[in-house]
Amino acid sequence: DTGVSQNPRHKITKRGQNVTFRCDPISEHNRLYWYRQTLGQGPEFLTYFQNEAQLEKSRLLSDRFSAERPKGSFSTLEIQRTEQGDSAMYLCASSLAGYNQPQHFGDGTRLSIL
Amino acid sequence: AQKVTQAQTEISVVEKEDVTLDCVYETRDTTYYLFWYKQPPSGELVFLIRRNSFDEQNEISGRYSWNFQKSTSSFNFTITASQVVDSAVYFCALSEAGAGTALIFGKGTTLSVSS
Repeated sequence: DTGVSQNPRHKITKRGQNVTFRCDPISEHNRLYWYRQTLGQGPEFLTYFQNEAQLEKSRLLSDRFSAERPKGSFSTLEIQRTEQGDSAMYLCASSLAGYNQPQHFGDGTRLSIL
Repeated sequence: AQKVTQAQTEISVVEKEDVTLDCVYETRDTTYYLFWYKQPPSGELVFLIRRNSFDEQNEISGRYSWNFQKSTSSFNFTITASQVVDSAVYFCALSEAGAGTALIFGKGTTLSVSS
């Protein structure tokens, strides 16, 4: 049983650079979510897709952030012109459709901005 | 507005002690789900349990048990005879039927079990 896969595990970059993360969900799951987690906090919702459609975006998702899921399978999250405040763990989760379905999380990508 | 509060930031126990992690939630929805997740030092959030708002029956799974009380808006988690491997951050989360699919997480409780 393959779980949610995220890469890279760690990303260190200089302020102002663009970064892109990838998430591969559990194959039969049609929903895919992105969350951000900072130290000492619970994950905060960023956005989610049902198949290839992006159905909801949080106010946390500024214009510098963009997410795609072009074929309804893997997803990418890009951050342009990174800032110090973007340093966090970016978590991807997937689930079957429905608000009652448990979301299964990947290991996350830890982003550090120098 | 929806909110999940985990008032205990850190708990330290010795192996074999029982420990209860508290979770209090706020919601205006009558239909919602509550979840518990475990985040070990490796970082991956692991799903533990789901409970819907219409089912107040307590649940036991091995050393784990959950107490859901709508009257106090609480969904507490008890680990019986704790073990070192239980050391992790535990998160309580809320999902509302009328608010999309985002999980609203508490800030988590860090449990440290020493031998």
